[in-house]
Amino acid sequence: QVQLQQWGAGLLKPSETLSLTCAVYGGSFSDDYWSWIRQPPGKGLEWIGDINQSGNTNYNPSLKSRVTISVDTSKNQFSLKLTSVTAADTAVYYCAREPTNWGQGTLVTVSS
Amino acid sequence: DIVMTQTPLSLSVTPGQPVSISCKSSQSLLYSDGKTYLYWYLQRPGQSPRLLIYEVSNRFSGVPDRFSGSGSGTDFTLKISRVEAEDVGIYYCMQTIQYPLTFGGGTKVEIK
Repeated sequence: QVQLQQWGAGLLKPSETLSLTCAVYGGSFSDDYWSWIRQPPGKGLEWIGDINQSGNTNYNPSLKSRVTISVDTSKNQFSLKLTSVTAADTAVYYCAREPTNWGQGTLVTVSS
Repeated sequence: DIVMTQTPLSLSVTPGQPVSISCKSSQSLLYSDGKTYLYWYLQRPGQSPRLLIYEVSNRFSGVPDRFSGSGSGTDFTLKISRVEAEDVGIYYCMQTIQYPLTFGGGTKVEIK
């Protein structure tokens, strides 16, 4: 059973860079795509982007200019960077193996 | 982007009663491989979303058989035959046929 465990800074100031990492346990990257998804407090789900083991990425156009997703297959990890954050980026960020398994979520708050 | 529209926004049901949730997509989710890329998730309070149904009608591992999915093209339905207390939460549909991946706005299910 694949499990995902994620971590990263939970409190950022405006203009800083959000950085999260997700480790995959109990499986390999194989042919799957690995996503980042976010959920603002009390709101719905927004897909940020995904990556496969070859490093091929897809990004949501709404965030594309600020997002980088990378993969380290030697560590079974993938990461998210979101630059120039504002209060609108405050959300719980989830990593996921499309479409089956999700991480526990990380609340990222952007506040001065 | 493919817009996913869920109805109703919320419902309150008596344990043992059936539930039906609709999800409509702005474009067909039927791919050339014959599969339809529509998924259903349940997000219980304070938890990560959990996959219930994949490719319209297939129950994911461990999902009780009171959950069923149906539909085709652009119209889909999630049904719970007899609601239990543990079914409380927000249900989301999601499409993966086209980037960016998109979610419905969610349907909140409460128990009376």
